[in-house]
Amino acid sequence: DGGITQSPKYLFRKEGQNVTLSCEQNLNHDAMYWYRQDPGQGLRLIYYSQIVNDFQKGDIAEGYSVSREKKESFPLTVTSAQKNPTAFYLCASSSAGTRTIYEQYFGPGTRLTVT
Amino acid sequence: AQSVTQLDSQVPVFEEAPVELRCNYSSSVSVYLFWYVQYPNQGLQLLLKYLSGSTLVKGINGFEAEFNKSQTSFHLRKPSVHISDTAEYFCAVSAYGGGTSYGKLTFGQGTILTVHP
Repeated sequence: DGGITQSPKYLFRKEGQNVTLSCEQNLNHDAMYWYRQDPGQGLRLIYYSQIVNDFQKGDIAEGYSVSREKKESFPLTVTSAQKNPTAFYLCASSSAGTRTIYEQYFGPGTRLTVT
Repeated sequence: AQSVTQLDSQVPVFEEAPVELRCNYSSSVSVYLFWYVQYPNQGLQLLLKYLSGSTLVKGINGFEAEFNKSQTSFHLRKPSVHISDTAEYFCAVSAYGGGTSYGKLTFGQGTILTVHP
């Protein structure tokens, strides 16, 4: 079955440590996205990538980094510079185009807790 | 830039009653509109979308939404809800300005729908 996988589902880290969240898709989508979800705030875009080896900052990129070395993979690193990293992180992917909007498909999410 | 406001943070309703979840948006350009549903500790699933054409859009699970350009609204409705509809619902917009488009979505804050027996 095609879809998006995120691992692990739950992640615990100590403050000051960097942590990398995995996102893999087999939908053959060109575009991939990372969102952060906090209660009552909806989803906020962290980074997105339209094509391999290229990515752009979203609305809340500070304290995060990404890479896009393969079409299928878009890992997110939460660095120690992120002041409030505890949140639910969602990865999404979509087809990419210049003439229309394609719906985004979401992974199951990773809940990160930093203490 | 665009913004989305979901007017109700929580909507309680009894089973088999109708429900409306309200969504208003703001944008200086044309937009595409989406409703997503999220069950606890899961990702988001697309309910329906408006890209063009008929302003009444039908989606999965019996939901529908109506695009009202003059009121900049995209309210979600269901004539009779079930216990299984209990979830959080997100309205989202994506501006279409021609040329390159990365499909960026701006989400509302979410509305928690709770269906009581």
